[in-house]
Amino acid sequence: DQQVKQNSPSLSVQEGRISILNCDYTNSMFDYFLWYKKYPAEGPTFLISISSIKDKNEDGRFTVFLNKSAKHLSLHIVPSQPGDSAVYFCAASGWGGATNKLIFGTGTLLAVQP
Amino acid sequence: NAGVTQTPKFQVLKTGQSMTLQCAQDMNHNSMYWYRQDPGMGLRLIYYSASEGTTDKGEVPNGYNVSRLNKREFSLRLESAAPSQTSVYFCASSDRAGDEQFFGPGTRLTVL
Repeated sequence: DQQVKQNSPSLSVQEGRISILNCDYTNSMFDYFLWYKKYPAEGPTFLISISSIKDKNEDGRFTVFLNKSAKHLSLHIVPSQPGDSAVYFCAASGWGGATNKLIFGTGTLLAVQP
Repeated sequence: NAGVTQTPKFQVLKTGQSMTLQCAQDMNHNSMYWYRQDPGMGLRLIYYSASEGTTDKGEVPNGYNVSRLNKREFSLRLESAAPSQTSVYFCASSDRAGDEQFFGPGTRLTVL
């Protein structure tokens, strides 16, 4: 049972345009959400996070939106750059108590075309 | 400041062989984790250690054991490797519950 779902395995966007990556979750106990970026042959790196008490968090070109009623979050990248081409994982935590366990989605491969 | 380091980077095993994957972090983090990444499956938690001296099972613990050797080091052992354990293994660490996790570069394991 996939508790965190990324239904789009891949996304292709033109350089300079907006990239929107989506993530859905099923467990209403999740209260902290993160996005990670992963290049081939490297470990994932933290990108941006949002707590359930907020509905938006911005960091430079990256903005994460949280819609708790729909159990949906999205990552917006504006403007997209070729260096943004990577696999993006969303993750959620809060289920299971005080231990910092993250539940990851299956990832979306973003390709930014020059 | 190396962050999270993993050894080895690559390993090929025959079915039934054993091996230990090593992980160390120099960020004085309390919690450490082992994940495996398989195509189309995302990152799945194998075992984690919330603090030095404790370990708990994650989503896919069967066939693995772990040891939290000290605050810095967390090892993953495959006692009798199986082809289903062919995967990329990532170690991660974090300071507090709710904080982001920092990942190592990964170990690519093939079991023949």
